[in-house]
Amino acid sequence: QVQLQESGPGLVKPSETLSVTCTVSGGSISSYYWSWIRQPPGKGLECIGDIYYSGSTNYNPSLKSRVTISIDTSKNQFSLKLSSVTAADTAVYYCARRARDGYFDYWGQGTLLTVSS
Amino acid sequence: SYDLTQPPSVSVSPGQTASITCSGDELGDKFASWYQQKPGQSPVLVIYQDRKRPSGIPERFSGSNSGNTATLTISGTQAMDEADYYCQAWDRIAVFGGGTKLTVL
Repeated sequence: QVQLQESGPGLVKPSETLSVTCTVSGGSISSYYWSWIRQPPGKGLECIGDIYYSGSTNYNPSLKSRVTISIDTSKNQFSLKLSSVTAADTAVYYCARRARDGYFDYWGQGTLLTVSS
Repeated sequence: SYDLTQPPSVSVSPGQTASITCSGDELGDKFASWYQQKPGQSPVLVIYQDRKRPSGIPERFSGSNSGNTATLTISGTQAMDEADYYCQAWDRIAVFGGGTKLTVL
């Protein structure tokens, strides 16, 4: 059974860079797409972007200028960096596995990242 | 950008059929997926490729997609089905609907 686990700082100051890592266990990170999705408190889901195991990336146009997603296949991990954060970036950040047809079949438990001074 | 529209809320009596719609331009030409999210939990995939159920999802969950509308149908709705439901499609990036709160009362 594939499992995903996010790890992040919990609190980030405005204008700084948010960093979150997802560790994949129970299966290889190869041959799949790996995604970041966020959910502001009380609101809906927003896809941030994803990365293929080969390293090719695809970002949400609304966030593209601030997002970097990377992958480390040797550690079965992939990571998200979001720069110049504001309070609007406060959300639960989920990592998920995406199938080629675009659906998300495995999700992490999510990590709440709060932007505040 | 591509938008998906869902009703904010749907109510159903236990044992009855609940239908949740998701509207988008020519959505029927894309694959639609549905996720169930209970409070404090991660979303769970309940329907993918319009009508397929992942292993472990009860048969009472079904889906369809045609024209501009995808529909999630829950037959014989149970109290445990009370949750938020999100539709999702792919348009160069994953797009989610705004979510529908299903109340079983």
